[in-house]
Amino acid sequence: GDSVTQMEGPVTLSEEAFLTINCTYTATGYPSLFWYVQYPGEGLQLLLKATKADDKGSNKGFEATYRKETTSFHLEKGSVQVSDSAVYFCALSLSGGGADGLTFGKGTHLIIQP
Amino acid sequence: DGGITQSPKYLFRKEGQNVTLSCEQNLNHDAMYWYRQDPGQGLRLIYYSQIVNDFQKGDIAEGYSVSREKKESFPLTVTSAQKNPTAFYLCASSKYSSGGRQPQHFGDGTRLSIL
Repeated sequence: GDSVTQMEGPVTLSEEAFLTINCTYTATGYPSLFWYVQYPGEGLQLLLKATKADDKGSNKGFEATYRKETTSFHLEKGSVQVSDSAVYFCALSLSGGGADGLTFGKGTHLIIQP
Repeated sequence: DGGITQSPKYLFRKEGQNVTLSCEQNLNHDAMYWYRQDPGQGLRLIYYSQIVNDFQKGDIAEGYSVSREKKESFPLTVTSAQKNPTAFYLCASSKYSSGGRQPQHFGDGTRLSIL
């Protein structure tokens, strides 16, 4: 079946460090890919998305490129801030006929220290 | 502002009781979803609905039931058959589109605990 694998956390970085959170996927078709962020006690917020190969999603300084050849969608940010501390989820959607739910990775807890 | 409202934020259940979690959206989205979140396991799909009066089981539907009588509402009932109901429950909605390209919008969740 379809699956998403993320690097396990927690990932601890200092403020202004470079961030990479790895995400790879397995899918029987041609998925759309998403990154969501969850702050403590809240629901998930869409961070960015990409719907076809070589698409780059970007938002709030975060970027991820859809790499079909390596089945990856790694999340990057050049200079992290304390406010970026949260749990990040990589997800895919493979819906041939409509909207039948997302497949999530287990999440990566990011901790940014001042 | 449009969004998804889940209530209550915290819910406690006694053994053998059914409880219903509310989810309302005013985004005019066709599709709605329920996920369960457990520590270290990410989110897992319980049920989803693409249109009114229709819904489908997700990966972990056993012990849960839903209804979709109105486009705006998608309540989830956690029945006494669900043996491990303690979790964080998230409701989401999205526009309908082929290929799954529309992102899902999430509510702030309901935390269910067993007394």
